[in-house]
Amino acid sequence: KQEVTQIPAALSVPEGENLVLNCSFTDSAIYNLQWFRQDPGKGLTSLLLIQSSQREQTSGRLNASLDKSSGRSTLYIAASQPGDSATYLCAVKCGNNRLAFGKGNQVVVIP
Amino acid sequence: GAVVSQHPSWVICKSGTSVKIECRSLDFQATTMFWYRQFPKQSLMLMATSNEGSKATYEQGVEKDKFLINHASLTLSTLTVTSAHPEDSSFYICSARAPNPGLSDSPLHFGNGTRLTVT
Repeated sequence: KQEVTQIPAALSVPEGENLVLNCSFTDSAIYNLQWFRQDPGKGLTSLLLIQSSQREQTSGRLNASLDKSSGRSTLYIAASQPGDSATYLCAVKCGNNRLAFGKGNQVVVIP
Repeated sequence: GAVVSQHPSWVICKSGTSVKIECRSLDFQATTMFWYRQFPKQSLMLMATSNEGSKATYEQGVEKDKFLINHASLTLSTLTVTSAHPEDSSFYICSARAPNPGLSDSPLHFGNGTRLTVT
């Protein structure tokens, strides 16, 4: 059974610092990995999707890397802003076509 | 971009009543939609996969008679929580995958969720 772990569970950083969020998964046989943002009481917004054959994806200040063999992905957010405060979830698509989610990294960017 | 609309965003109901939650894909057709449940500070747990024109596929441990799913069209799936109890109080989120020709896979798009409170 695929297990997804996100570390740290919560973190606070001053505005302007770079954010590094980690996601690990136990079964490396994945189709893709997706990072989402979730605001309190809201649904999920897709940020980046990395196919299993890719090493990284970039969108603006966001960069996500994938090391499938070691079961890890990292989301980097450059020059953090208060508007980046949210919970960030990673999810892997497994062989049974299902998504396995982590519990999220809860981020607070302090102005 | 692809938009998934979920309604209502929150609902309070009494024990024993039923509640229907709608999930619509606004600008694309979705043959498959997914229903998740999320407890505070927990992962999203897949409840069932909704298939247009056929029966939903439920995950192990999810009662299909309690959580009725209907996917009557390519843009609408509904989840009905029947005879709701306080333990059914949770955040329910639907999602759909927008078709994207040329990509081996495309991102999953989520609704804004429904906060259900059963008193």
